[in-house]
Amino acid sequence: SQELEQSPQSLIVQEGKNLTINCTSSKTLYGLYWYKQKYGEGLIFLMMLQKGGEEKSHEKITAKLDEKKQQSSLHITASQPSHAGIYLCGAVSTGTASKLTFGTGTRLQVTL
Amino acid sequence: DTAVSQTPKYLVTQMGNDKSIKCEQNLGHDTMYWYKQDSKKFLKIMFSYNNKELIINETVPNRFSPKSPDKAHLNLHINSLELGDSAVYFCASSPPSGGPRETQYFGPGTRLLVL
Repeated sequence: SQELEQSPQSLIVQEGKNLTINCTSSKTLYGLYWYKQKYGEGLIFLMMLQKGGEEKSHEKITAKLDEKKQQSSLHITASQPSHAGIYLCGAVSTGTASKLTFGTGTRLQVTL
Repeated sequence: DTAVSQTPKYLVTQMGNDKSIKCEQNLGHDTMYWYKQDSKKFLKIMFSYNNKELIINETVPNRFSPKSPDKAHLNLHINSLELGDSAVYFCASSPPSGGPRETQYFGPGTRLLVL
């Protein structure tokens, strides 16, 4: 089965700093999702990447899928307190109905 | 308007009880899911239904039974609750596509605490 490892597990950054979260898969990724979870809330869809080398941005968040499609990174530029939360990467399994396997999560805190 | 809603938001109950969590989506999606997030925040799929039919059933105890009265609803019934069932349960839905790459939209979660 597919396993996703995220690093770091937790991160504390000062407001205004940049940061990167990595997601590494044990198998080739056919669809990689990034979600954000705030305490007490559901998962908010951020981005989905499918093609090797693909890069997508939304506001100050950029996600990339490497050429070999086994690793994705999420980069936040000039972090703000509103970026705080748990970031989860999720991958779909091939050939089966939609089933997301999630990474271990990265807890981000942004200090003032 | 809420896209994927779950009730209740919080559920505190005694061991041995039977409880249900309801999920409704107003997105017109065909596929719905239940995920469990444990105390370490690890999120794992439990079930998936497509057009009221079960298509994914991970290794989940028989005490958990999903029920889909129509494609907009997927309820989770849990019998004989155990301490280890304490977790956050998320419902999700995705559009019809026939493929595995449609984005899943999640509900706000139901926090279950078994005492």
